[in-house]
Amino acid sequence: KNQVEQSPQSLIILEGKNCTLQCNYTVSPFSNLRWYKQDTGRGPVSLTIMTFSENTKSNGRYTATLDADTKQSSLHITASQLSDSASYICVVSETVQSGNTPLVFGKGTRLSVIA
Amino acid sequence: NAGVTQTPKFRVLKTGQSMTLLCAQDMNHEYMYWYRQDPGMGLRLIHYSVGEGTTAKGEVPDGYNVSRLKKQNFLLGLESAAPSQTSVYFCASSYRLAGGRTYEQYFGPGTRLTVT
Repeated sequence: KNQVEQSPQSLIILEGKNCTLQCNYTVSPFSNLRWYKQDTGRGPVSLTIMTFSENTKSNGRYTATLDADTKQSSLHITASQLSDSASYICVVSETVQSGNTPLVFGKGTRLSVIA
Repeated sequence: NAGVTQTPKFRVLKTGQSMTLLCAQDMNHEYMYWYRQDPGMGLRLIHYSVGEGTTAKGEVPDGYNVSRLKKQNFLLGLESAAPSQTSVYFCASSYRLAGGRTYEQYFGPGTRLTVT
């Protein structure tokens, strides 16, 4: 069964510190991997999308890495800010011939940045 | 450019009542989706549409119906609400790449539904 596992479930860090969130997946055949940020009471917002051939992708202070061989991804947040407090969701897309591209969602990591 | 909007933002229903959630997007996206998000679980796909006039079932379609009469709108209906349908509902849309692959999904702000 296609699954996306994220760790840790929750994390508390001090403002200004760095952190790394993990994502392991079993989705096959793999198309792309996405990281979303979801603020409390809001819809998810895309941070990065990586295809099979991409190892790393940055979006400001967010850097995602992908190892398609080990089926692992990480999201590194540099110099955290209070506004980074949110849930971060890892989403993996299957490859299909046509029609809808199924997405498999992780349960998310809840990050709290405190002053 | 409002992106994806959802109506209403909150709703409380009694068991057995019906309601329709409205999703609208102004990005001319082909694909639209309805998800539900429950505590401790990832988002789960209810129904989706790959174009005007077409709909298909997702992972958890039971108890829901959908319609896509216009490209910009995607309606989610609950004919007879049950407490198990208490959840936060998200609509999303995406454009279609060549070969039917989809790319980034844009999500609405969500509708919080409570069924008592």
